[in-house]
Amino acid sequence: AQKVTQAQTEISVVEKEDVTLDCVYETRDTTYYLFWYKQPPSGELVFLIRRNSFDEQNEISGRYSWNFQKSTSSFNFTITASQVVDSAVYFCALIDGNNRLAFGKGNQVVVIP
Amino acid sequence: NAGVTQTPKFQVLKTGQSMTLQCAQDMNHNSMYWYRQDPGMGLRLIYYSASEGTTDKGEVPNGYNVSRLNKREFSLRLESAAPSQTSVYFCASGPLTGSFSEQYFGPGTRLTVT
Repeated sequence: AQKVTQAQTEISVVEKEDVTLDCVYETRDTTYYLFWYKQPPSGELVFLIRRNSFDEQNEISGRYSWNFQKSTSSFNFTITASQVVDSAVYFCALIDGNNRLAFGKGNQVVVIP
Repeated sequence: NAGVTQTPKFQVLKTGQSMTLQCAQDMNHNSMYWYRQDPGMGLRLIYYSASEGTTDKGEVPNGYNVSRLNKREFSLRLESAAPSQTSVYFCASGPLTGSFSEQYFGPGTRLTVT
């Protein structure tokens, strides 16, 4: 069975600090994809990134960056120079061959002005 | 282009009542999904439909039924609501099964069962 663990439940940072969210996954599949979604206070789920198991290159998109390491089964997410608009719940998820997503429990990020 | 729409946005039911949550997508996606979100639990898959005419159970299917009415619409029915079904329900859609593509989510339905 697929499993995603996000250990930290709530993380508070002061604006402009960096914050890193840890995601550890378990799967027996050799081909798999990982995702990060953002859920702002308004409640909708916003897709952030999709990464496949064959591509371990780090990715940067503006203030967001992702570090994928197969050796430790981790797909961590860093927000650099956090802003109040980054306050949200962030979910890491793993997809199987039937396109079923297994979500972690989420990280609540609170950015204090 | 509305994406994924859900109705209603809010609903209060009494224990034992029934209701159907509606979901529609206009992205010509083959796959559709129903998730529930409970505090501290993340999202959990209730049922999914890989293509029109097929449905399968997810992680937490008990107490629910689904209907894939056509390619666009996928409904979730609670036959006899229980307080344990108080949750936020999200519908999602995605391209072909096996494509490992991202799913697109609706705005959610907040359901309270008293």
